[in-house]
Amino acid sequence: QQQVKQSPQSLIVQKGGISIINCAYENTAFDYFPWYQQFPGKGPALLIAIRPDVSEKKEGRFTISFNKSAKQFSLHIMDSQPGDSATYFCAASSTGNTPLVFGKGTRLSVIA
Amino acid sequence: NAGVTQTPKFQVLKTGQSMTLQCAQDMNHNSMYWYRQDPGMGLRLIYYSASEGTTDKGEVPNGYNVSRLNKREFSLRLESAAPSQTSVYFCASSEATAGLNIQYFGAGTRLSVL
Repeated sequence: QQQVKQSPQSLIVQKGGISIINCAYENTAFDYFPWYQQFPGKGPALLIAIRPDVSEKKEGRFTISFNKSAKQFSLHIMDSQPGDSATYFCAASSTGNTPLVFGKGTRLSVIA
Repeated sequence: NAGVTQTPKFQVLKTGQSMTLQCAQDMNHNSMYWYRQDPGMGLRLIYYSASEGTTDKGEVPNGYNVSRLNKREFSLRLESAAPSQTSVYFCASSEATAGLNIQYFGAGTRLSVL
């Protein structure tokens, strides 16, 4: 079963625009929600992460919004740049070193 | 500071051949993971090792075996490769700190089974 559902599969955004990627989870035991960024030919790398004790976390142009009651979280990329073009994965896990469960990914293209 | 190193980077096999994918990390992490990445399927966990001496199945373990050789190394073996195992394989390691399970990934092994 797919425990983390991610949408959209692909996204095209104009340079300077806002990119929004959404994820929904089912397992209420999840309490750690990271986003990973992957460039072609590379492994995924942690971008930003949130715990459910806060509703929003911002790091530079990247923001995670978290809605515990709806079991949803999203990534917002402000002022999107061509260098942000990559595949983004949301993920979730429960406390400790339990494996991450990944969404299927979103391919973002930022065009000038 | 190498992080997670995977070898080989590319491999072509014929159906029925066997091979071992190697992974080593230099961050002294307890946990290590093997994922496969297929178009439109995201990252699917094959096996993981929470600590040296332990291994557990993930979502898609069939056709694979693993060995946690020591704290640094975690290998993935395909005993009899099948075309369905054509994929990109990623190794990762992690150490939970303050409840944050940050996984660090290698650059991947691109495997084609003909």
